[in-house]
Amino acid sequence: QVQLVQSGAEVKKPGASVKASCKASGYTFTNYGISWVRQAPGQGLEWMGWINTYNGNTNYGQRFQGRVTMTRDTSTRTAYLELRSLSSDDTAVYYCAFHPGPGSGSAGFDYWGQGTLLTVSS
Amino acid sequence: DVVLTQSPLSLPVTLGQPASISCRSSQSLVYSDGNTYLNWFQQRPGQSPRRLIYKISNRDSGVPDRFSGSGSGTDFTLKISRVEAEDVGVYYCMQETHWPSITFGQGTRLEIK
Repeated sequence: QVQLVQSGAEVKKPGASVKASCKASGYTFTNYGISWVRQAPGQGLEWMGWINTYNGNTNYGQRFQGRVTMTRDTSTRTAYLELRSLSSDDTAVYYCAFHPGPGSGSAGFDYWGQGTLLTVSS
Repeated sequence: DVVLTQSPLSLPVTLGQPASISCRSSQSLVYSDGNTYLNWFQQRPGQSPRRLIYKISNRDSGVPDRFSGSGSGTDFTLKISRVEAEDVGVYYCMQETHWPSITFGQGTRLEIK
């Protein structure tokens, strides 16, 4: 069965960077993309971007352009989210989600990781 | 970006009664392949979101048949035929038609009266 297991909670200072991971199992990793979604405390869901795990191509949400980098390691079946220049507004739970991507004919987000809590505080 | 507007934002429902959530899009959600990539999610307190419905009306495996989705173009609805206690949570619609800008509705909080 498809599983996405994310890295543990992080505490960072303003201006720092964070790198979260999402380890996939139960399917052929390079056949399906991964999206990242975040949720600030008490707020709704916000899509951050998507990575094609086959070739590493990415699409980022406009709000995060220039501040986010999504990568993957096919040998360990792991996707990564790096966010730089952190501020308190980045305090949120960050989720990875299974997402085939455009042109696949399939809807995505049927499997989610458990979330990584990032706290940004001085 | 495509804006999804949900209503109501708060939905108090008596156990056993029906519930309905609307999701209206600022643009048509019909993709070039003819599909409409409008999904519905449930998020229970403290949990990751769970997809309930994909492409307007297809129920995910394990989702009770009291949940149903309908609509077309820019107007969509999630219905629960008889609300149960386990349905408490926040419900989101989401579109992935307008790539690469995926957007969610604001969320509708369902509570038991």
